[in-house]
Amino acid sequence: AQSVTQPDIHITVSEGASLELRCNYSYGATPYLFWYVQSPGQGLQLLLKYFSGDTLVQGIKGFEAEFKRSQSSFNLRKPSVHWSDAAEYFCAVAGRGSTLGRLYFGRGTQLTVWP
Amino acid sequence: EPEVTQTPSHQVTQMGQEVILRCVPISNHLYFYWYRQILGQKVEFLVSFYNNEISEKSEIFDDQFSVERPDGSNFTLKIRSTKLEDSAMYFCASSERGTGGTGELFFGEGSRLTVL
Repeated sequence: AQSVTQPDIHITVSEGASLELRCNYSYGATPYLFWYVQSPGQGLQLLLKYFSGDTLVQGIKGFEAEFKRSQSSFNLRKPSVHWSDAAEYFCAVAGRGSTLGRLYFGRGTQLTVWP
Repeated sequence: EPEVTQTPSHQVTQMGQEVILRCVPISNHLYFYWYRQILGQKVEFLVSFYNNEISEKSEIFDDQFSVERPDGSNFTLKIRSTKLEDSAMYFCASSERGTGGTGELFFGEGSRLTVL
């Protein structure tokens, strides 16, 4: 069965510090991989996605993520966090082929940024 | 920037009442979705809709739920007889192409449903 695990429910970092949010997935084959962010009162916004090719993908707002097939992981990173990055982050997967938008989400990681 | 809009932002209802949640997807999008998130739990897929019919639905999407695109712009989710366990944040999303065709989902801000 498909599943996505985000082992960290809540992470606190200082502004300017580096960030890594973990995501592991269980899927029959290599799925499409996504990171979404949700700021308070906002909808889910796509940060980045991996479909194929280079395993290090760049996204918006200075985020990047690396797909590691051997570890079934797709961790999100940012070298220097800004206070505006405080939000909830969701990792998600979708099957390749004909699946029309069925995403499987992790529970989310709440990021708090100290000034 | 085009966006998906949802109304209402918050609805409180009594158990057993019918609820309709409304969504206006991005205008040139062809695929529409509803997801929900029960407090403290994962965001879960409910249903996808394409070409005026349901493409896929999850086990959550039982006979109490229905979706409709009544007028070419709105996309609605109806819950016929609400239960306490239907209390959740409901997200509408749309995409130009299906995810299988590398379509990106654009989500609305959500409608919070509270069933008393």
